[in-house]
Amino acid sequence: QKEVEQNSGPLSVPEGAIASLNCTYSDRGSQSFFWYRQYSGKSPELIMSIYSNGDKEDGRFTAQLNKASQYVSLLIRDSQPSDSATYLCAAHSNRDDKIIFGKGTRLHILP
Amino acid sequence: GAGVSQSPSNKVTEKGKDVELRCDPISGHTALYWYRQSLGQGLEFLIYFQGNSAPDKSGLPSDRFSAERTGGSVSTLTIQRTQQEDSAVYLCASSLGLAGMGVSQFFGPGTRLTVL
Repeated sequence: QKEVEQNSGPLSVPEGAIASLNCTYSDRGSQSFFWYRQYSGKSPELIMSIYSNGDKEDGRFTAQLNKASQYVSLLIRDSQPSDSATYLCAAHSNRDDKIIFGKGTRLHILP
Repeated sequence: GAGVSQSPSNKVTEKGKDVELRCDPISGHTALYWYRQSLGQGLEFLIYFQGNSAPDKSGLPSDRFSAERTGGSVSTLTIQRTQQEDSAVYLCASSLGLAGMGVSQFFGPGTRLTVL
């Protein structure tokens, strides 16, 4: 059973600090990884995708991928109250084209 | 339209009735995905289409669930003889090709299904 695991949280971070969200995956065949943000009652919206080992930066967001350890992380710098949401990690396998989502981590930025 | 659209936005039905959910993907997107999200849970993959074909139906929870896509565009997800455990938000997503390297999914607003 392919799985993507995330700590459900809530993760509370003071405004202006760095929020660190982590995700592990079980399928070594996974090649592409995605972070989505989901506000309560809304549909997921893509924040970042990452395919290669290392870091990928986009504004205040940095995604990190370590395929050897099978983990993906998302760092949010200068956290804002508007970053409070559930963050979903997803892994895509080229072998069967399925995208498996984790259950998400609830992030709460404290003003 | 500019984004993925789904209808209806809300559906309340009685146990045992059939329901049909519709998804209209972003124009030009060949891949279309259906997911289910129960309250406080992650997204459960149901089925995906590449064009009109669905290579993998293994995610459908039971034989009461079926989906079709015609003309490479609009897709319908049909649930027959609905049960209370079918209550969830049903999300549709589309992408230019199969989601993977360089190709990202975009989600619709979802249909909230409540089975009484």
